[in-house]
Amino acid sequence: QQQVKQSPQSLIVQKGGISIINCAYENTAFDYFPWYQQFPGKGPALLIAIRPDVSEKKEGRFTISFNKSAKQFSLHIMDSQPGDSATYFCATDAGNQFYFGTGTSLTVIP
Amino acid sequence: NAGVMQNPRHLVRRRGQEARLRCSPMKGHSHVYWYRQLPEEGLKFMVYLQKENIIDESGMPKERFSAEFPKEGPSILRIQQVVRGDSAAYFCASSRDTREKLFFGSGTQLSVL
Repeated sequence: QQQVKQSPQSLIVQKGGISIINCAYENTAFDYFPWYQQFPGKGPALLIAIRPDVSEKKEGRFTISFNKSAKQFSLHIMDSQPGDSATYFCATDAGNQFYFGTGTSLTVIP
Repeated sequence: NAGVMQNPRHLVRRRGQEARLRCSPMKGHSHVYWYRQLPEEGLKFMVYLQKENIIDESGMPKERFSAEFPKEGPSILRIQQVVRGDSAAYFCASSRDTREKLFFGSGTQLSVL
């Protein structure tokens, strides 16, 4: 059973554009929602995270939007750069373990 | 301040052999998680350990797979009698406490011939 559903599977964006990746979750007990970034040959690294007491969190060009009633959260990358090309995973925390989405492969075209 | 160290980076085994994957968590971290990653399938939770204890192994197959995190030394993920379907990237992550930020290693790519 997929605890977190992520879309799209892949995304191609022009340099300077906005990249948007969406995730939906089922369990209302989840209360921590991180996004991880993974480059080829490397392990995932925490990019930004949010707790459900706020609807938005911004760190530089990266923003998480959180909709508690819809059980959805999304990652927005503003002014996307070729260096942002990577795989992005959303995740939720269920106490003993994190559930990860299936990943979005982002390609930013110069 | 070394990060999470995994070795080997690449491991090749023939069917039926044993694979041992090692993970040294970040300094000060006592919580270790193992994940398996297959192409286009994301990260699948396998097991969560604290020092000398398995906390949650719900994602780990009951047969052939085992994990430990001894009082001294790295965490070990052991796969006995490997099969081709075990070929994947195995990632270890550590955290200072439960429900805290995870730090991942660079993974071990296991190839079963």
